Amino acid sequence: QVQLVESGGGVVQPGRSLRLSCAASGFTFSDHAMHWVRQAPGKGLEWVAVISYDGSNQEYRDSVKGRFTISRDNSNNTLFVQMNSLRTEDTAVYYCARDKAEGSDPFDIWGQGTLVTVSS
Amino acid sequence: DIQMTQSPSTLSASVGDRVTITCRASESISAWLAWYQQKPGKAPKLLIFEASSLESGVPSRFSGSGSGTEFTLTITSLQPDDFATYYCQQYYVFWTFGQGTKVEIK
Repeated sequence: QVQLVESGGGVVQPGRSLRLSCAASGFTFSDHAMHWVRQAPGKGLEWVAVISYDGSNQEYRDSVKGRFTISRDNSNNTLFVQMNSLRTEDTAVYYCARDKAEGSDPFDIWGQGTLVTVSS
Repeated sequence: DIQMTQSPSTLSASVGDRVTITCRASESISAWLAWYQQKPGKAPKLLIFEASSLESGVPSRFSGSGSGTEFTLTITSLQPDDFATYYCQQYYVFWTFGQGTKVEIK
């Protein structure tokens, strides 16, 4: 079945780095743009980053520009986000999500999320 | 940045009620609006896209309307499984979510 499974979350100190992964299955991964969305504890949803179907284009929300890097490996159906210089305000559940089509669309498939806690 | 504002923030309703949630955009987004349902500890689920198109597999008691800056999500005859938090999302310029509307049991 169509599925996204995130991994890599955990507790990290401010200023340190973490890399999240999202394994896709059940669909043609290379046909879809992919996103990272986060949700701080008890808060709403916040779009973080998008990568085009072929990895050639990326966009980020302002608060993570220069710190986060989204990437993908279409040969292994995996999405990544490298998070550097982490801040306490980056604490959240991070979801990967499939763009419904080509990269300017809503998100029709979501992973279960992975919790990132930034704390000293 | 386009801001999305939902109202109300919380809504108390009973099974069988008709429920309406409003979402306003800070500027026109045409019909590039989606609605999601999220239950505690779970990922969001896409319900509606392009303001009024029902996602495959979503019950027909859910409907969406609107264009420009004002949009509504309506649930006719609320079911026990519908108690959840609902988010609107614009995808006209990047992606922005509303703050959410929690539908709770009255």
